[in-house]
Amino acid sequence: EPEVTQTPSHQVTQMGQEVILRCVPISNHLYFYWYRQILGQKVEFLVSFYNNEISEKSEIFDDQFSVERPDGSNFTLKIRSTKLEDSAMYFCASGGWDREAFFGQGTRLTVV
Amino acid sequence: SQQGEEDPQALSIQEGENATMNCSYKTSINNLQWYRQNSGRGLVHLILIRSNEREKHSGRLRVTLDTSKKSSSLLITASRAADTASYFCATQAAGNKLTFGGGTRVLVKP
Repeated sequence: EPEVTQTPSHQVTQMGQEVILRCVPISNHLYFYWYRQILGQKVEFLVSFYNNEISEKSEIFDDQFSVERPDGSNFTLKIRSTKLEDSAMYFCASGGWDREAFFGQGTRLTVV
Repeated sequence: SQQGEEDPQALSIQEGENATMNCSYKTSINNLQWYRQNSGRGLVHLILIRSNEREKHSGRLRVTLDTSKKSSSLLITASRAADTASYFCATQAAGNKLTFGGGTRVLVKP
């Protein structure tokens, strides 16, 4: 069964460093998303991506964040200068319009 | 105000019992979805109910939606230890993003 894959599963980074979280969405899906979940809290929407551009973003997704689909399969989330409060599980998801989303297993980002 | 709030926050039941959790939301939606999350893992889609539907079944799962009350319920019948997880409702409106509630932690004791 096709699945969304994310790498790495765990990333530890120093405050101020750049990180790139990688995702391979399900191949025939057209919508891609990043969500995050701070430990013990709810899942929060960051950004959605369709037709090679951002279709919607939340207030969390500020200038420190960017997304890219560099080729036909990968979808990346970059955080330019990490802060302690960026520590969270980051989930990539893909899906169709008005349909369920398929989530990856997440990348646990720890900023020290 | 927050979209998609679950009630109760935590639920502890014996294997074989039914588990019911509720979700309330505040704005108009296209659909409402339920997801399961095992500890530290990704979210698994369980069921989607559209705004023009009132009830949906999938295996041991039964979901209801009352758009007049802006609420939904998820019933898990004949629970098993493997059903231990957190359950989240998520609403989808214009724009296709999912807005999640805070989740219900379900513990099924063998």
